[in-house]
Amino acid sequence: AQKITQTQPGMFVQEKEAVTLDCTYDTSDQSYGLFWYKQPSSGEMIFLIYQGSYDEQNATEGRYSLNFQKARKSANLVISASQLGDSAMYFCAMREGHAAGNKLTFGGGTRVLVKP
Amino acid sequence: DAMVIQNPRYQVTQFGKPVTLSCSQTLNHNVMYWYQQKSSQAPKLLFHYYDKDFNNEADTPDNFQSRRPNTSFCFLDIRSPGLGDAAMYLCATSAGQGAFGQPQHFGDGTRLSIL
Repeated sequence: AQKITQTQPGMFVQEKEAVTLDCTYDTSDQSYGLFWYKQPSSGEMIFLIYQGSYDEQNATEGRYSLNFQKARKSANLVISASQLGDSAMYFCAMREGHAAGNKLTFGGGTRVLVKP
Repeated sequence: DAMVIQNPRYQVTQFGKPVTLSCSQTLNHNVMYWYQQKSSQAPKLLFHYYDKDFNNEADTPDNFQSRRPNTSFCFLDIRSPGLGDAAMYLCATSAGQGAFGQPQHFGDGTRLSIL
């Protein structure tokens, strides 16, 4: 079974609108962390936001927020007020408590294209 | 600024000719990772070093090797590159123990082409 599932391979969003990127995960660990990364066409992976399994509040970082629904095992990324520079690939990743070396498991990614 | 640096940014090699990609870090992190990423796919972890301890992923081909001579540097060696090894190779670091909630820090990647 897939540990991290991103069901939206690609999506368009109008500039200045909000967009939600879906991420569901599967783990039997009680302790885990969820990360979102942005990867522009140039290739670098840019860390956006983190949510720990024990965090009671949804994480927020500027225009990025995480809609964490633990019972549903989902950690959706919300980007508010989209900008043209938000066009990129977005990856959801999970770190499980038992994983050696703080390894990450990545989802398949969602490509976002912001339209002017 | 502390960072992860990969050289070169682009590498072209011939089929079967050994190639080495390099990664250096100024973060003084314990853990260094190598990922392979093919077009429009998720990064795939090849192996990682926790300090000097090498950890290979079960499905990493023997063709891929790694060296970490010191904390700052890590190398990816591809002994006999095949056409299927053309990809982006990403190096990342992590602080290791006590840093569960800290992200991995990535370099800009090396895009490898095979002729």
